[in-house]
Amino acid sequence: ELKVEQNPLFLSMQEGKNYTIYCNYSTTSDRLYWYRQDPGKSLESLFVLLSNGAVKQEGRLMASLDTKARLSTLHITAAVHDLSATYFCAVDIRKETSGSRLTFGEGTQLTVNP
Amino acid sequence: SQTIHQWPATLVQPVGSPLSLECTVEGTSNPNLYWYRQAAGRGLQLLFYSVGIGQISSEVPQNLSASRPQDRQFILSSKKLLLSDSGFYLCAWSRGRSYEQYFGPGTRLTVT
Repeated sequence: ELKVEQNPLFLSMQEGKNYTIYCNYSTTSDRLYWYRQDPGKSLESLFVLLSNGAVKQEGRLMASLDTKARLSTLHITAAVHDLSATYFCAVDIRKETSGSRLTFGEGTQLTVNP
Repeated sequence: SQTIHQWPATLVQPVGSPLSLECTVEGTSNPNLYWYRQAAGRGLQLLFYSVGIGQISSEVPQNLSASRPQDRQFILSSKKLLLSDSGFYLCAWSRGRSYEQYFGPGTRLTVT
């Protein structure tokens, strides 16, 4: 059974600081996704990482994937209040008969304080 | 462009009552469709997925069922709700064997 573990689960940081969220998974996969969820809202796609060594950046967020270590990171640079949300990683275990199938981590609840 | 709709947005139902949640996708054909449940403060659990009309796979045993009567319609049902069925239900779609899943706005279900 695939396990996806995120840490930390709760993160409180000051504006302007940097931090990294980690996502470890237990079985081979070369597809990993990061989503953002605001309170009471649905999931918004942030990054799609499709190969070993993939790195993607959008604004103050940068995601990377190391398939050999089964690890993805989401790095936050110079945090601002608007980044406060819950961030999920999801690992894709593809099966030919089902297409994309995602297993989610528990989420990291990020609070950025002024 | 593609859009995904869910309704109702919120629902309060008593224990033992039936349930029907609907999800529709516009702007694409033959999508893979998914139902997830999110308990308060937790991650998402995949409940059902479908690769075509009438084709449903269940991920976890439960008192819920799913149906796909049309290509872009996915329905989640229950004959008798339990308190533990409360949660945020999200429908998602992906393009066949493509990668990314796109999520609908969700239905918040409270069973009382």
